[in-house]
Amino acid sequence: GNSVTQMEGPVTLSEEAFLTINCTYTATGYPSLFWYVQYPGEGLQLLLKATKADDKGSNKGFEATYRKETTSFHLEKGSVQVSDSAVYFCALRILGDSWGKLQFGAGTQVVVTP
Amino acid sequence: GAVVSQHPSWVICKSGTSVKIECRSLDFQATTMFWYRQFPKQSLMLMATSNEGSKATYEQGVEKDKFLINHASLTLSTLTVTSAHPEDSSFYICSARDLGLAGLSTDTQYFGPGTRLTVL
Repeated sequence: GNSVTQMEGPVTLSEEAFLTINCTYTATGYPSLFWYVQYPGEGLQLLLKATKADDKGSNKGFEATYRKETTSFHLEKGSVQVSDSAVYFCALRILGDSWGKLQFGAGTQVVVTP
Repeated sequence: GAVVSQHPSWVICKSGTSVKIECRSLDFQATTMFWYRQFPKQSLMLMATSNEGSKATYEQGVEKDKFLINHASLTLSTLTVTSAHPEDSSFYICSARDLGLAGLSTDTQYFGPGTRLTVL
Protein backbone atom coordinates (compact mmCIF):
# COMPACT_ATOMS: atom_id res chain seq x y z
CA GLY A 1 0.00 0.00 0.00
CA ASN A 2 0.89 3.66 0.11
CA SER A 3 2.24 5.31 3.22
CA VAL A 4 4.32 8.26 4.35
CA THR A 5 6.52 8.26 7.42
CA GLN A 6 7.85 11.43 8.97
CA MET A 7 10.15 12.00 11.87
CA GLU A 8 8.34 12.72 15.07
CA GLY A 9 8.31 16.15 16.55
CA PRO A 10 8.41 18.54 18.03
CA VAL A 11 11.69 19.66 16.57
CA THR A 12 13.01 22.60 18.54
CA LEU A 13 15.89 24.67 17.25
CA SER A 14 17.36 28.12 17.45
CA GLU A 15 17.04 30.82 14.85
CA GLU A 16 19.54 30.45 12.00
CA ALA A 17 20.01 26.75 12.68
CA PHE A 18 19.87 24.10 9.97
CA LEU A 19 16.61 22.21 9.67
CA THR A 20 16.07 18.71 8.35
CA ILE A 21 12.78 16.85 8.48
CA ASN A 22 12.99 13.28 7.30
CA CYS A 23 10.28 11.80 5.13
CA THR A 24 10.19 8.34 3.61
CA TYR A 25 7.46 6.69 1.65
CA THR A 26 6.20 3.40 0.32
CA ALA A 27 4.26 3.30 -2.90
CA THR A 28 3.93 1.29 -6.05
CA GLY A 29 5.48 3.01 -9.02
CA TYR A 30 6.49 6.67 -8.93
CA PRO A 31 4.28 8.94 -6.88
CA SER A 32 4.49 12.71 -6.89
CA LEU A 33 5.74 14.07 -3.58
CA PHE A 34 4.76 17.19 -1.68
CA TRP A 35 5.59 19.21 1.40
CA TYR A 36 2.82 21.26 2.95
CA VAL A 37 3.13 23.68 5.87
CA GLN A 38 0.41 24.51 8.39
CA TYR A 39 0.67 27.58 10.57
CA PRO A 40 -1.34 27.65 13.82
CA GLY A 41 -5.08 27.85 13.23
CA GLU A 42 -4.74 27.80 9.47
CA GLY A 43 -5.14 25.39 6.57
CA LEU A 44 -2.28 23.83 4.66
CA GLN A 45 -0.09 25.71 2.23
CA LEU A 46 1.84 23.99 -0.51
CA LEU A 47 5.52 24.51 0.21
CA LEU A 48 7.12 22.54 -2.61
CA LYS A 49 6.70 19.47 -4.75
CA ALA A 50 8.55 17.05 -7.01
CA THR A 51 7.00 14.85 -9.62
CA LYS A 52 9.80 12.48 -10.62
CA ALA A 53 13.01 10.97 -9.35
CA ASP A 54 15.92 13.38 -8.79
CA ASP A 55 13.66 16.41 -9.07
CA LYS A 56 14.38 19.09 -6.48
CA GLY A 57 11.54 21.20 -5.19
CA SER A 58 12.40 24.53 -3.60
CA ASN A 59 10.57 27.50 -2.15
CA LYS A 60 11.23 30.14 0.53
CA GLY A 61 14.65 28.69 1.27
CA PHE A 62 13.31 25.16 1.73
CA GLU A 63 14.47 22.31 -0.49
CA ALA A 64 13.64 18.65 -0.93
CA THR A 65 14.97 16.14 -3.46
CA TYR A 66 13.00 13.15 -4.68
CA ARG A 67 15.26 10.18 -3.99
CA LYS A 68 13.89 7.06 -5.61
CA GLU A 69 16.72 4.83 -4.43
CA THR A 70 16.06 5.62 -0.79
CA THR A 71 12.33 6.38 -1.23
CA SER A 72 12.84 9.64 0.58
CA PHE A 73 11.91 13.30 0.27
CA HIS A 74 13.65 15.02 3.17
CA LEU A 75 12.95 18.70 3.75
CA GLU A 76 15.85 21.04 4.48
CA LYS A 77 16.44 24.69 5.19
CA GLY A 78 19.82 26.19 5.82
CA SER A 79 18.86 28.95 8.25
CA VAL A 80 15.49 28.93 9.93
CA GLN A 81 13.59 31.89 11.27
CA VAL A 82 11.06 32.17 14.07
CA SER A 83 8.41 32.58 11.40
CA ASP A 84 9.16 29.04 10.18
CA SER A 85 7.55 27.66 13.32
CA ALA A 86 4.73 25.48 12.00
CA VAL A 87 3.71 21.90 11.34
CA TYR A 88 5.15 20.37 8.20
CA PHE A 89 3.40 17.56 6.33
CA CYS A 90 4.98 15.28 3.77
CA ALA A 91 2.53 13.78 1.29
CA LEU A 92 2.39 11.63 -1.80
CA ARG A 93 -0.19 11.53 -4.50
CA ILE A 94 -1.67 8.06 -4.66
CA LEU A 95 -0.85 6.44 -7.95
CA GLY A 96 -3.69 4.96 -9.88
CA ASP A 97 -6.20 7.15 -8.11
CA SER A 98 -7.96 9.11 -10.81
CA TRP A 99 -9.00 11.78 -8.34
CA GLY A 100 -5.48 12.49 -7.23
CA LYS A 101 -5.93 11.79 -3.55
CA LEU A 102 -3.06 12.58 -1.21
CA GLN A 103 -1.60 10.36 1.47
CA PHE A 104 -0.22 12.44 4.34
CA GLY A 105 2.40 11.75 6.93
CA ALA A 106 1.64 12.45 10.57
CA GLY A 107 3.19 15.90 10.46
CA THR A 108 6.23 17.28 12.22
CA GLN A 109 5.96 20.30 14.47
CA VAL A 110 8.88 22.71 14.23
CA VAL A 111 9.51 25.29 16.92
CA VAL A 112 12.13 27.95 16.25
CA THR A 113 13.25 30.01 19.20
CA PRO A 114 14.91 33.45 19.00
CA GLY B 1 -0.36 29.76 -6.14
CA ALA B 2 -4.05 29.11 -6.49
CA VAL B 3 -6.43 30.30 -3.79
CA VAL B 4 -9.10 28.32 -2.02
CA SER B 5 -11.46 29.96 0.44
CA GLN B 6 -13.68 28.51 3.14
CA HIS B 7 -16.63 30.03 4.87
CA PRO B 8 -17.21 30.40 7.70
CA SER B 9 -13.81 30.32 9.34
CA TRP B 10 -15.41 29.33 12.61
CA VAL B 11 -18.89 28.41 13.75
CA ILE B 12 -20.53 27.53 17.04
CA CYS B 13 -23.84 25.69 16.99
CA LYS B 14 -26.17 23.87 19.30
CA SER B 15 -26.38 20.11 19.37
CA GLY B 16 -28.95 18.80 16.89
CA THR B 17 -28.65 21.63 14.41
CA SER B 18 -27.08 21.51 10.95
CA VAL B 19 -24.11 23.51 9.76
CA LYS B 20 -23.02 24.22 6.19
CA ILE B 21 -19.43 24.93 5.24
CA GLU B 22 -18.52 26.33 1.84
CA CYS B 23 -15.33 25.74 -0.10
CA ARG B 24 -14.53 27.84 -3.14
CA SER B 25 -11.70 27.82 -5.64
CA LEU B 26 -11.21 31.48 -6.44
CA ASP B 27 -9.00 31.53 -9.51
CA PHE B 28 -9.30 28.11 -11.05
CA GLN B 29 -11.92 25.51 -11.80
CA ALA B 30 -11.89 22.37 -9.75
CA THR B 31 -13.77 19.30 -10.88
CA THR B 32 -12.52 17.57 -7.75
CA MET B 33 -12.48 18.85 -4.19
CA PHE B 34 -11.69 17.04 -0.98
CA TRP B 35 -12.94 17.36 2.57
CA TYR B 36 -10.71 16.59 5.51
CA ARG B 37 -11.08 16.56 9.23
CA GLN B 38 -8.24 17.36 11.57
CA PHE B 39 -8.09 16.69 15.27
CA PRO B 40 -5.72 18.65 17.51
CA LYS B 41 -2.08 17.89 16.85
CA GLN B 42 -2.95 15.21 14.34
CA SER B 43 -2.73 14.75 10.63
CA LEU B 44 -5.54 15.25 8.18
CA MET B 45 -8.16 12.56 7.81
CA LEU B 46 -9.74 12.41 4.38
CA MET B 47 -13.50 12.29 4.73
CA ALA B 48 -14.69 12.36 1.14
CA THR B 49 -13.91 13.23 -2.44
CA SER B 50 -16.31 15.63 -4.08
CA ASN B 51 -16.75 15.62 -7.84
CA GLU B 52 -18.62 18.28 -9.72
CA GLY B 53 -21.93 17.02 -10.99
CA SER B 54 -21.80 13.63 -9.32
CA LYS B 55 -22.14 12.05 -5.91
CA ALA B 56 -19.33 12.34 -3.45
CA THR B 57 -17.23 9.33 -2.58
CA TYR B 58 -16.83 8.79 1.13
CA GLU B 59 -13.95 7.15 2.94
CA GLN B 60 -14.58 4.11 5.03
CA GLY B 61 -16.17 4.92 8.35
CA VAL B 62 -17.53 8.32 7.31
CA GLU B 63 -21.31 8.58 7.50
CA LYS B 64 -22.56 10.00 4.23
CA ASP B 65 -25.98 10.82 5.67
CA LYS B 66 -24.37 12.87 8.38
CA PHE B 67 -21.82 14.68 6.26
CA LEU B 68 -23.64 15.80 3.15
CA ILE B 69 -21.48 17.00 0.30
CA ASN B 70 -22.66 18.92 -2.72
CA HIS B 71 -20.37 19.98 -5.54
CA ALA B 72 -22.76 22.09 -7.55
CA SER B 73 -20.29 24.00 -9.68
CA LEU B 74 -16.66 23.93 -10.76
CA THR B 75 -15.75 26.41 -8.05
CA LEU B 76 -17.95 25.47 -5.10
CA SER B 77 -18.34 22.47 -2.84
CA THR B 78 -20.32 22.44 0.38
CA LEU B 79 -20.18 20.20 3.43
CA THR B 80 -23.23 20.07 5.65
CA VAL B 81 -22.89 18.51 9.06
CA THR B 82 -26.39 17.34 9.89
CA SER B 83 -27.73 16.93 13.40
CA ALA B 84 -24.40 17.97 14.81
CA HIS B 85 -23.20 16.60 18.14
CA PRO B 86 -20.29 17.62 20.34
CA GLU B 87 -18.16 14.79 18.95
CA ASP B 88 -18.43 16.46 15.52
CA SER B 89 -16.48 19.42 16.87
CA SER B 90 -13.32 19.61 14.84
CA PHE B 91 -11.31 21.55 12.29
CA TYR B 92 -12.64 20.90 8.79
CA ILE B 93 -10.41 21.62 5.84
CA CYS B 94 -11.21 21.47 2.16
CA SER B 95 -8.89 21.31 -0.80
CA ALA B 96 -9.36 21.75 -4.52
CA ARG B 97 -7.52 19.98 -7.24
CA ASP B 98 -5.92 22.21 -9.84
CA LEU B 99 -4.99 20.33 -12.99
CA GLY B 100 -3.74 23.53 -14.60
CA LEU B 101 -3.39 24.14 -18.27
CA ALA B 102 -0.36 21.91 -18.68
CA GLY B 103 -2.14 18.79 -17.52
CA LEU B 104 -0.97 16.29 -14.98
CA SER B 105 2.45 17.80 -14.45
CA THR B 106 0.82 20.69 -12.64
CA ASP B 107 -1.70 18.54 -10.76
CA THR B 108 -1.73 20.04 -7.27
CA GLN B 109 -4.15 20.26 -4.36
CA TYR B 110 -4.64 23.68 -2.81
CA PHE B 111 -6.12 23.94 0.64
CA GLY B 112 -8.59 26.26 2.24
CA PRO B 113 -7.85 27.96 5.56
CA GLY B 114 -10.13 25.61 7.47
CA THR B 115 -13.34 25.93 9.49
CA ARG B 116 -13.40 25.45 13.24
CA LEU B 117 -16.69 23.84 14.25
CA THR B 118 -17.73 23.78 17.89
CA VAL B 119 -20.93 21.99 18.81
CA LEU B 120 -22.31 22.81 22.23
